[in-house]
Amino acid sequence: EVQLVETGGGLIQPGGSLRLSCAASEFNVSTYYMNWVRQAPGKGLEWISVVYSGGRTYYADSVKGRFTISRDNSKNMLYLQMDNLRAEDTAVYYCARDLLRNSAFDIWGQGTMVTVSS
Amino acid sequence: QSALTQPPSASGSPGQSVTISCTGTSSDFGGYNYVSWYQQHPGKAPKLMIYEVSKRPSGVPDRFSGSKSGNTASLTVSGLQADDEADYYCSSFAGSNNRALFGGGTKLTVL
Repeated sequence: EVQLVETGGGLIQPGGSLRLSCAASEFNVSTYYMNWVRQAPGKGLEWISVVYSGGRTYYADSVKGRFTISRDNSKNMLYLQMDNLRAEDTAVYYCARDLLRNSAFDIWGQGTMVTVSS
Repeated sequence: QSALTQPPSASGSPGQSVTISCTGTSSDFGGYNYVSWYQQHPGKAPKLMIYEVSKRPSGVPDRFSGSKSGNTASLTVSGLQADDEADYYCSSFAGSNNRALFGGGTKLTVL
């Protein structure tokens, strides 16, 4: 079954770091544009980062300079390194596959919750 | 760019049709016809329902349809069913630096 499974969420203090992982099954992350999207509690969806199949990366202004997206093709994994976390980063984080490289996200993980609080 | 604008709520009775709008500026849509719609049930991940304005992924019923006119995209759900009750989000591709701009979401209630 084509699927994505995120891990790595948890409770972290402001200013701390966390790395999220996303394991892909039945497709290669290297051949798709892979994204992270988050959803704060009771709020809407927010795109935060993409890694192209060629390796180029882009970030939303809200996380630029603090978050780093990466990919391990040998493990078929996607990652999100989150540094200098803030309370407003509290959200469910989803990894998502871009179907046609135009931000139609056809496969989503189940999400992992990140809570930034002292 | 701010989020795309959606009505916070919509409703209809079983069997009826309901249309949800999604409004932005020309820069929000980037001159592309790359509008997607997602359905999200409580506690679940979003599900792609429409992509490229009006295309349906495999498995999505043809009761769901999409359109776009100018800077407003629309999702129509026909023959409403109880399971259609969910949050719906539109999104647009507006270029490399803003891969997906989402609407604020519309809560669809089936009366």
